Amino acid sequence: EAGVAQSPRYKIIEKRQSVAFWCNPISGHATLYWYQQILGQGPKLLIQFQNNGVVDDSQLPKDRFSAERLKGVDSTLKIQPAKLEDSAVYLCASSSRLPGNTDTQYFGPGTRLTVL
Amino acid sequence: GQQLNQSPQSMFIQEGEDVSMNCTSSSIFNTWLWYKQDPGEGPVLLIALYKAGELTSNGRLTAQFGITRKDSFLNISASIPSDVGIYFCAGGDTGRRALTFGSGTRLQVQP
Repeated sequence: EAGVAQSPRYKIIEKRQSVAFWCNPISGHATLYWYQQILGQGPKLLIQFQNNGVVDDSQLPKDRFSAERLKGVDSTLKIQPAKLEDSAVYLCASSSRLPGNTDTQYFGPGTRLTVL
Repeated sequence: GQQLNQSPQSMFIQEGEDVSMNCTSSSIFNTWLWYKQDPGEGPVLLIALYKAGELTSNGRLTAQFGITRKDSFLNISASIPSDVGIYFCAGGDTGRRALTFGSGTRLQVQP
């Protein structure tokens, strides 16, 4: 079974530029998560999708971050404009349990973003 | 919000030694998961715990879900150099399915 795919693996941009990350979850997984992991910390949830709907985006900085999962499979996360403090690893995870149950999440390799 | 306190922050041990790390929370969780993260990679699931008091093993790894549902520990027996990495605990609850992560335990193993 193929794992969670993410691209690009690395991205370097200057502040105020825009950047987009892509995630393809494990086949059949209805739930998709984007996490931000700052160096030396554990991952922190940005947004959670159930199929193509948003379940939780309470910690997403909506003035600059946006995400979509139009067909309920792949997802993109965008930052516009980027700030220095956005430098982090952006992790995508997916799981297959139904709403209302805790689940087991599987992570992709992440995209390491450096904002100069 | 929910927070997890994970300790120790780092450990440096000799190959063959046993290791223990734990997580505590002020909130109750219904699921405890332990992940390992290697440099440049995403976290990889090691053990998942779904019931208070549950003790689960995966090879040399053993983890327990605390009776109070506010803590969990992970033990690694007879450590080997490939155990090097950062270990994260994560708690999940039915209301908010997304996981809350600890800050990680960095493990270094001296051959």
